[in-house]
Amino acid sequence: AQSVTQLGSHVSVSEGALVLLRCNYSSSVPPYLFWYVQYPNQGLQLLLKYTSAATLVKGINGFEAEFKKSETSFHLTKPSAHMSDAAEYFCAVSEGTGANNLFFGTGTRLTVIP
Amino acid sequence: EAGVAQSPRYKIIEKRQSVAFWCNPISGHATLYWYQQILGQGPKLLIQFQNNGVVDDSQLPKDRFSAERLKGVDSTLKIQPAKLEDSAVYLCASSFRVGNTIYFGEGSWLTVV
Repeated sequence: AQSVTQLGSHVSVSEGALVLLRCNYSSSVPPYLFWYVQYPNQGLQLLLKYTSAATLVKGINGFEAEFKKSETSFHLTKPSAHMSDAAEYFCAVSEGTGANNLFFGTGTRLTVIP
Repeated sequence: EAGVAQSPRYKIIEKRQSVAFWCNPISGHATLYWYQQILGQGPKLLIQFQNNGVVDDSQLPKDRFSAERLKGVDSTLKIQPAKLEDSAVYLCASSFRVGNTIYFGEGSWLTVV
């Protein structure tokens, strides 16, 4: 069975500060891992994905995430927060090719303080 | 390229009434998904289609929810009769095929009163 745990339902950072959103996964097979962002009243937009290639994945809007198998983690980071980064962020896991149903975490709401 | 289209965007109904949501996936995408997102939770898969066939509907409450994708393109999700706990955002998503990136629509917001 697959699952995702996102630590911290709310994270606040100052504009220009480091963004760190935590995600730990559980999977019985090598996982595919994803980060999606959801702006108010909008659908989900893919930020980045890990599909068993490079462990450090770069995404859109300056975000990146590192797959750490030993820690079963896939934390999302951005060196410098911007006001436009304020949104809900979801980590998700799938079994990869052949079965790509996504299992989502409960989300982390990021607030950026000016 | 047009994204995943959904309608209506917002719907308010009374409990025990029925509602239907429509989705048109990205052109050429064979796989279509319906997810339910309850406030404060992550999206949960309700049903997955591959062309016009159902791949996974294990989480669909079949006593009240139904979905179809008759011609393998657009899809309809129906709830009848609605319950208060059905209040959620219903997200439609599509991918070129299983294993490819999943793209989401903006969602249909349902409030049951």
